Amino acid sequence: EAQVTQNPRYLITVTGKKLTVTCSQNMNHEYMSWYRQDPGLGLRQIYYSMNVEVTDKGDVPEGYKVSRKEKRNFPLILESPSPNQTSLYFCASSTGLVLRNNEQFFGPGTRLTVL
Amino acid sequence: ELKVEQNPLFLSMQEGKNYTIYCNYSTTSDRLYWYRQDPGKSLESLFVLLSNGAVKQEGRLMASLDTKARLSTLHITAAVHDLSATYFCAVESSFGNEKLTFGTGTRLTIIP
Repeated sequence: EAQVTQNPRYLITVTGKKLTVTCSQNMNHEYMSWYRQDPGLGLRQIYYSMNVEVTDKGDVPEGYKVSRKEKRNFPLILESPSPNQTSLYFCASSTGLVLRNNEQFFGPGTRLTVL
Repeated sequence: ELKVEQNPLFLSMQEGKNYTIYCNYSTTSDRLYWYRQDPGKSLESLFVLLSNGAVKQEGRLMASLDTKARLSTLHITAAVHDLSATYFCAVESSFGNEKLTFGTGTRLTIIP
C-alpha cells in the first residue's frame, strides 16, 4: 500500500531533550516536506527537500533540522525542544521533481508535547 | 510574502443547502490545492487546480480557480453530514521554490 508513515505518533518530552521524528514514504517520491499545524494558524511549512541531499527552509525552520540521505526517509530533528514546539507535525511527499503538477500525500501526523 | 486567507473560518449549514468557501491569496500563482481534514486525522487531497479558469468536481464538491482575481472557491451542493470536516486551500508560489502556503482552514459542520 502506498503510504507515508511517521513515528512516533504521539510523544511527550521535556525541554532540551533531543528528539527525532521519522518520516518514510514507499512511493519513490522525490519531494518531501514537514509541516506543523497549530490551532488558528493552518499548516506552516518547516523544511522541504526536492531530492536526496537537497533541503531548504520553509516558513518556520527555527529550532528544527532535517536530513535527506535516502530518497524514502526525511527525519525531523529537534536538537533542543522548547514548549513552543508543542504542535501536530505532518510529513508529506509528492512525485516528480516539481511539486506544482502533483498532489501531496500526507502522513498520519505526530502529536508532540514539550513540557 | 505570500498570504492565503480563507473565509469563512467556521461554517455551520443544514443538510441539503448550498454554500461556498473562499480562498484569497496575495501574490501571483497559478497552482492551488484543496485538502480535507477530518477531526484527529491527516489531510486528504481533494483538488489540484493548475491554471486560470480550472474547474474540478467530485461528488457534491466543485472547486474553481481565477488567477486574475487571486481567488479560488470550493462550492458545496446539497450538503450531507459526511462532508463535515475542515477544508484547507494551499497556494504554491509561482517562483518555483516548491513552497506551499496554507490557509487557516474552514471548519464545516453540516447539521441534519
